Amino acid sequence: GQQVMQIPQYQHVQEGEDFTTYCNSSTTLSNIQWYKQRPGGHPVFLIQLVKSGEVKKQKRLTFQFGEAKKNSSLHITATQTTDVGTYFCAGDVGGGADGLTFGKGTHLIIQP
Amino acid sequence: DVKVTQSSRYLVKRTGEKVFLECVQDMDHENMFWYRQDPGLGLRLIYFSYDVKMKEKGDIPEGYSVSREKKERFSLILESASTNQTSMYLCASSNGAGATIYFGEGSWLTVV
Repeated sequence: GQQVMQIPQYQHVQEGEDFTTYCNSSTTLSNIQWYKQRPGGHPVFLIQLVKSGEVKKQKRLTFQFGEAKKNSSLHITATQTTDVGTYFCAGDVGGGADGLTFGKGTHLIIQP
Repeated sequence: DVKVTQSSRYLVKRTGEKVFLECVQDMDHENMFWYRQDPGLGLRLIYFSYDVKMKEKGDIPEGYSVSREKKERFSLILESASTNQTSMYLCASSNGAGATIYFGEGSWLTVV
């Protein structure tokens, strides 16, 4: 079946260091979305990428969609304690009402 | 703002009990979803619905059923709860295939 793989599963960084999580799909995606879940909270939508090679920025967060629309990355520059949480990518393989296929998430742990 | 409301945040049930988890969304979304979230396993889709009285199995439907009698309400039913169904359950809705998914705050179910 369709799969969306996300790595790494866990990432420990010192506050101020950069962080990147990667998402790879076995099939071409119509779009990819990123969600953040704070500890004890629920996933919240961050952004959607649709175009091949698209890059979007939200302050210290940079999101990229690969040229082949099969992979994506989220990069955080100079992490802060407020960045703690789990980051999920979710890909739309298109054509179905069952929504998105979620990666397993990357848990970001920040040491002050 | 889209609001997805899960009526029960924390439940403790006994093995064999019938459990109802209720979810209401206020944005007239077509699609509604039930996921469960377990450490290391990410978000796993149990059932989804793309219209009233319509339902489709997700990745892990065994031991669960759902009901969608009204567009805004999607219920998850555990006919006979078992300890391996102890988990966090997330309801979600979206406005179409591949659209942004809005999650409820989650229901933490413990089966003893």
